[in-house]
Amino acid sequence: AQSVTQLDSHVSVSEGTPVLLRCNYSSSYSPSLFWYVQHPNKGLQLLLKYTSAATLVKGINGFEAEFKKSETSFHLTKPSAHMSDAAEYFCVVRGTGTASKLTFGTGTRLQVTL
Amino acid sequence: DAGVTQSPTHLIKTRGQQVTLRCSPKSGHDTVSWYQQALGQGPQFIFQYYEEEERQRGNFPDRFSGHQFPNYSSELNVNALLLGDSALYLCASSLGPDTSTDTQYFGPGTRLTVL
Repeated sequence: AQSVTQLDSHVSVSEGTPVLLRCNYSSSYSPSLFWYVQHPNKGLQLLLKYTSAATLVKGINGFEAEFKKSETSFHLTKPSAHMSDAAEYFCVVRGTGTASKLTFGTGTRLQVTL
Repeated sequence: DAGVTQSPTHLIKTRGQQVTLRCSPKSGHDTVSWYQQALGQGPQFIFQYYEEEERQRGNFPDRFSGHQFPNYSSELNVNALLLGDSALYLCASSLGPDTSTDTQYFGPGTRLTVL
């Protein structure tokens, strides 16, 4: 079975500073990994996905993530935070075949201050 | 291009009642998955429908059931509601159930409150 662990439940950064949201995964095969964002009272929006192509994945709104097999990590980064980035972020792993459900991490709440 | 839509937006029920939630997938998608997101938690997989059949199921009791219609839309039914069923219910659609690289697109959710 696959799983993800988000290492921080809450991250606070100042506007204009870098963002790092950490995620480790566990999977018995090459995983498909995703980052989703959820703004208050909104649905989930896909930020980016890794599907065994390039290990550095670029997403929307300036976010990117690097797949590191040796560290079983898929950390999300952004060079400069914006106030509109404040939201809940979920690291997600997807199974394959008849087990293609999404398994979510517990989420990281990103706070951006002036 | 219409995205995933869900109805109703909010719902209030009392313990023991039954509820039906509805989902219309993104245009061109044929697979619907349902998730339950309790307050402060990540979404938990309930089940997935493809070709009008339940293809996968998470760790949820039989009180949770579903249906998929020929037009690919779907319903989630919950019987004998418990206080613990209060949550945001999310519907996600995708193209095909077994494509490991396909993306699931989520609707805005239905907020269910059980009193």
